[in-house]
Amino acid sequence: DTAVSQTPKYLVTQMGNDKSIKCEQNLGHDTMYWYKQDSKKFLKIMFSYNNKELIINETVPNRFSPKSPDKAHLNLHINSLELGDSAVYFCASSQDRGYQPQHFGDGTRLSIL
Amino acid sequence: SQQGEEDPQALSIQEGENATMNCSYKTSINNLQWYRQNSGRGLVHLILIRSNEREKHSGRLRVTLDTSKKSSSLLITASRAADTASYFCATDARSNTGKLIFGQGTTLQVKP
Repeated sequence: DTAVSQTPKYLVTQMGNDKSIKCEQNLGHDTMYWYKQDSKKFLKIMFSYNNKELIINETVPNRFSPKSPDKAHLNLHINSLELGDSAVYFCASSQDRGYQPQHFGDGTRLSIL
Repeated sequence: SQQGEEDPQALSIQEGENATMNCSYKTSINNLQWYRQNSGRGLVHLILIRSNEREKHSGRLRVTLDTSKKSSSLLITASRAADTASYFCATDARSNTGKLIFGQGTTLQVKP
């Protein structure tokens, strides 16, 4: 069973569209994260939720909005997609906030045409 | 701002040789973690070393941490072709938020 799963794996869409990426973890973890990895493999935290509470909200355009319906799910909605949003987006989870290893999904490769 | 700097950016060795990757960081940390990323896949946690630890082993992996120099190294002994991947260090600052700051990674190629 996949521990952290993201859908879709690939997302190709036009500039200006709105899209969502879903993430689910079956590890029973309390904390979930969204990261963005650019073309140079630089990985940067975007958001984190602990038991459905937002605890990390980095300097990210407000076109990006995370939603956590329960502690096993963390979705990412992106409005008005721009060329610069092209990247791989990773979801991750950890048992608790802070000082823990994180478990990553396999990523969603977003390409903006 | 980016916390970790990794060195070298790329490393190519023969199977059976050892591979050493270095990571430097800028601020105080609670722990430092190493991750592996195979092409097209997510990151996989390898090892976590706390700020009060100096060395840690896991199988063929050996990690050292020098908090006075704000640096860490990852040694992979007796490398295998399957070790070919990108390796990232990540620092967990004393914020208890889970915020990891990643280095830019070392791309390791192990030739059979």
